[in-house]
Amino acid sequence: DTAVSQTPKYLVTQMGNDKSIKCEQNLGHDTMYWYKQDSKKFLKIMFSYNNKELIINETVPNRFSPKSPDKAHLNLHINSLELGDSAVYFCASSQEGLADVQYFGPGTRLLVL
Amino acid sequence: AQSVAQPEDQVNVAEGNPLTVKCTYSVSGNPYLFWYVQYPNRGLQFLLKYITGDNLVKGSYGFEAEFNKSQTSFHLKKPSALVSDSALYFCAVRGLGGGFKTIFGAGTRLFVKA
Repeated sequence: DTAVSQTPKYLVTQMGNDKSIKCEQNLGHDTMYWYKQDSKKFLKIMFSYNNKELIINETVPNRFSPKSPDKAHLNLHINSLELGDSAVYFCASSQEGLADVQYFGPGTRLLVL
Repeated sequence: AQSVAQPEDQVNVAEGNPLTVKCTYSVSGNPYLFWYVQYPNRGLQFLLKYITGDNLVKGSYGFEAEFNKSQTSFHLKKPSALVSDSALYFCAVRGLGGGFKTIFGAGTRLFVKA
């Protein structure tokens, strides 16, 4: 009964490939997020969806495309992977208030060779 | 623009001693402040938050944080550190000016020595 789950946990792939990461939350939250954590552990928001609508879209290469089929799912598709995409990607969810806590998934460790 | 600063990359403390992890912020309007902890190979976990009211906020695992409006700080504290507290700690801020965006600090690694 994991609250926020991500698949896969590890992803090793070659430059130029296309890959997807899936995220699901069973908390009934309205808002979901994708974060990127780099090798120095710096955490930066990439996207946020509220009730399947995109509300935050940071300066992220358009090779990254989020998709929210329903409120409980937010997937991240990455085209033409580059070496610099290697990082840990975290999905998170929350209710939609400013005071609401975010619940994070376990992360997907992406290594681009 | 919203920002968060965690001035220390690492904090070292002996087990049983008090610990402080520092955080300062900049935000338009009233701040919504959070502390999260990250253990190795895990996602972030919520520790505590300040929204309004009492400046001293108590959270999980015996942690507390003190909100200081004049110094725009929100330092994390614990009276007696445990080896198991060793982890990466993130301060985060939200404000009305930033919408739903949460800005995280760079993180402070806490190392508690037995």
